[in-house]
Amino acid sequence: DAGITQSPRHKVTETGTPVTLRCHQTENHRYMYWYRQDPGHGLRLIHYSYGVKDTDKGEVSDGYSVSRSKTEDFLLTLESATSSQTSVYFCAIRGISNEQFFGPGTRLTVL
Amino acid sequence: QKEVEQDPGPLSVPEGAIVSLNCTYSNSAFQYFMWYRQYSRKGPELLMYTYSSGNKEDGRFTAQVDKSSKYISLFIRDSQPSDSATYLCAMITGANNLFFGTGTRLTIIP
Repeated sequence: DAGITQSPRHKVTETGTPVTLRCHQTENHRYMYWYRQDPGHGLRLIHYSYGVKDTDKGEVSDGYSVSRSKTEDFLLTLESATSSQTSVYFCAIRGISNEQFFGPGTRLTVL
Repeated sequence: QKEVEQDPGPLSVPEGAIVSLNCTYSNSAFQYFMWYRQYSRKGPELLMYTYSSGNKEDGRFTAQVDKSSKYISLFIRDSQPSDSATYLCAMITGANNLFFGTGTRLTIIP
């Protein structure tokens, strides 16, 4: 399972509240990614990190921020959650041949 | 036009049949091609990975890449009920971003 855990696994929150999702990896991978998965859109990249304190935007980064202060942890923050951010969020790491391995996901509902 | 196109299905086949799943793409810069399997409420699981045209076989699974036609396929032989899942194709250039198809939902009927 590539040693990836995500927390929380499920969360229900209200519009306008801040939310932070955590991705933790145990194998010292340099690259980490956050995706969201929605019906009809597949997996879309939100942000990624290529090292401690090094991050960049993906396809759907508006309304999201990330931080990586340690190699093993990559945090995704929704500063003010909206109903359009209801989704399943996946963290991934990059393997040695550019393949990506995914965590179990976080199911977020914004009411 | 999306970078990667994949028929969403759903696709239902009887147990033991050969399954063919396909994706087309528009970006000739894609170099690496992957197939993921995703069970309901689980994360995508890497199934096959290839970086060249031709076939790659792993047990009952064969991945096929035709770069001249910008077309990739996944074949499942002797399909089993446990193969019922959503299958996602994905591809990447030498850079970072992985581009996914929307997934094909497959059901194997016992």
